Amino acid sequence: QLQLQESGPGLVRPSETLSLTCTVSGGSITGTTYYWGWIRQPPGKGLEWIGAVHYSGSTQYNPALKSRIIILVDRSKNQFSLKLSSVTAADTAVYFCGRENVAGIDYWGQGALVAVSS
Amino acid sequence: DVQMTQSPSSLSASVGDRVTITCRASLGINNYLAWYQQKPANAPKLLISAASTLQSGVPSRFSGSGSGTDFTLTISSLQPEDVATYYCQKYDSVPRTFGPGTKVDI
Repeated sequence: QLQLQESGPGLVRPSETLSLTCTVSGGSITGTTYYWGWIRQPPGKGLEWIGAVHYSGSTQYNPALKSRIIILVDRSKNQFSLKLSSVTAADTAVYFCGRENVAGIDYWGQGALVAVSS
Repeated sequence: DVQMTQSPSSLSASVGDRVTITCRASLGINNYLAWYQQKPANAPKLLISAASTLQSGVPSRFSGSGSGTDFTLTISSLQPEDVATYYCQKYDSVPRTFGPGTKVDI
C-alpha cells in the first residue's frame, strides 16, 4: 500500500522560506505516469493546487505561486520536496503531498500544518 | 486561468435523501474532472475521476456526470458517513484548480 508522509518545520518566520519533504513508501517514485504534487489548505478554507514534479525532474507550477516555489525530486531517497520563499501569514496552511495520475490525486499524505509567524 | 465554481456552498439533508452538487468550469475541460470527499481533519479522498468513473471501493450511491463545463456529483441515498466537504478539481491543464467546496450536513 502506497503511503506518503510530509515532514518539515511547523513554524516559519515571515519573509523566510518554507521547506517540506514528502517521503513515499510502499512504492517507487519513478512511475512514468505519475506526477508528485503539493496541495495546501488554509485553516477553514478550500484546497489550492501548488505544483507537481515528475521523477524525471520535470515540473508544473501554479502560475499564482510560480515565482516563489521550487519542487524537486530525490529518486535515491524516494522523496520530493517543496520550497516556498518569502512567506507571509497568508501561506499558513495544512500542506498535503499527493500522487497525481491521469485520474486525479489518488494517494494523499496526512498533511502538515505550517504556521507563518514571528 | 479556468475558474471552478460549485453550488450550493453548503446543504443539509436527511438520511436517505438524494443529494446533487454542481461544479462548473469557466471554459470547457472535456471530462477532465475529479471529485473528492474530505472529512474533518482528514486528507481528501478521490471519489470519481474522468467526471463519471467511480474509484475502487467507493460506494455505488455516489455517481458523477457531465462534460465540457457542467458537472454533477450525486449521492443517491445520503448516509451519516457522507457528512463531509466535497470538492471538484479540473486536471486537464495547469493549474489543476479545485472548486471552493460544498459542505454536506445531516
